[in-house]
Amino acid sequence: NAGVTQTPKFQVLKTGQSMTLQCAQDMNHEYMSWYRQDPGMGLRLIHYSVGAGITDQGEVPNGYNVSRSTTEDFPLRLLSAAPSQTSVYFCASSSSAVRPNTGELFFGEGSRLTVL
Amino acid sequence: AQTVTQSQPEMSVQEAETVTLSCTYDTSESDYYLFWYKQPPSRQMILVIRQEAYKQQNATENRFSVNFQKAAKSFSLKISDSQLGDAAMYFCAYRSAPWETSGSRLTFGEGTQLTVNP
Repeated sequence: NAGVTQTPKFQVLKTGQSMTLQCAQDMNHEYMSWYRQDPGMGLRLIHYSVGAGITDQGEVPNGYNVSRSTTEDFPLRLLSAAPSQTSVYFCASSSSAVRPNTGELFFGEGSRLTVL
Repeated sequence: AQTVTQSQPEMSVQEAETVTLSCTYDTSESDYYLFWYKQPPSRQMILVIRQEAYKQQNATENRFSVNFQKAAKSFSLKISDSQLGDAAMYFCAYRSAPWETSGSRLTFGEGTQLTVNP
């Protein structure tokens, strides 16, 4: 029972490099999202998706791209990494079909990204 | 837009004692969910307790309970009989109830780091 799987768990990049954080869920959840966690700021929403082919921006979308070609996968792309993107990233999923319907999010284990 | 505020960056408690973590939020909505998530050093986000805004009764889960004051927009977490394993970062979070408008979007507070002293 994998739940939400994120890879890689740790990554070091140089400024200007690109990379993709992978996120996959096996619960057939229609809703998925990406958050970043920074000290003293809690978790902030980067991008989210309400279903395959549909994505939208969250609170802090600049510097990140997403796509959702399947229900299971929701990758987060950094096109040109900057030191300000050093953070811990979480992928999460949820579903309106879960019973009882509590609005709970299911989180991946997080990915620590350092940009030098 | 909704906001969530946790005014206690750090708290400490003696083992077996009780501690209360504070959370306030701002919203114009009447239907929503509130959550407390625990994040131990492993970084995993663990749901501790949840409250539906339409329910007047405060949620409880074993040693964890909440004091939900809807009019005051307050949602505090009480941990009774604190254990060493309760040491973690705790996040308060808000979610709009309608799935069409909220999906998997939560608004989080800044977090409270709880230390449990033996």
